[in-house]
Amino acid sequence: SQTIHQWPATLVQPVGSPLSLECTVEGTSNPNLYWYRQAAGRGLQLLFYSVGIGQISSEVPQNLSASRPQDRQFILSSKKLLLSDSGFYLCAWNGETTDTQYFGPGTRLTVL
Amino acid sequence: TQLLEQSPQFLSIQEGENLTVYCNSSSVFSSLQWYRQEPGEGPVLLVTVVTGGEVKKLKRLTFQFGDARKDSSLHITAAQPGDTGLYLCAGAAFTGNQFYFGTGTSLTVIP
Repeated sequence: SQTIHQWPATLVQPVGSPLSLECTVEGTSNPNLYWYRQAAGRGLQLLFYSVGIGQISSEVPQNLSASRPQDRQFILSSKKLLLSDSGFYLCAWNGETTDTQYFGPGTRLTVL
Repeated sequence: TQLLEQSPQFLSIQEGENLTVYCNSSSVFSSLQWYRQEPGEGPVLLVTVVTGGEVKKLKRLTFQFGDARKDSSLHITAAQPGDTGLYLCAGAAFTGNQFYFGTGTSLTVIP
């Protein structure tokens, strides 16, 4: 069966510091991968998605970037965090031929 | 642009009551998913509906996909405290790699 992992689970970082969040998927190959940010109790904002290694699409201009160095690894990064980067970050995947997304457990990021 | 509107945004009911959550759009989707999310956790898939007019039942939950594949509803019968959470709908675009999420409905079931 497929599983998706995210780490860290929580992170507290000062303004201006770098960021690296990691997401990995097991039990599947060639997944589509996604990064979302969620405000408290609200819907999800798509940040990036990837259909293959090295292929990244960005949905909104922002202080963040994404990379996919391996088939089942998706990384969210920032060189200098802003206060507005605080939030709950979710990674998700879906198969090439399926419509349904599956989510990881999320990372709570607090920028102080 | 918010393609999917959910209503109500907040719902607080007594245990045993019934409720319906709506997910509406002017766009047509390949399929639609419903998720439930608890605080501090990722959304968990409840159901995927694919065919216009489709109705799926999951114990006390009934999901319906509109005939035109633009809207959906979630009906819960005899709500229980364990149903408490944030309910999210998501529409899948026909391209296969784009998903549009609703605004969310926060449900609280009071014992």
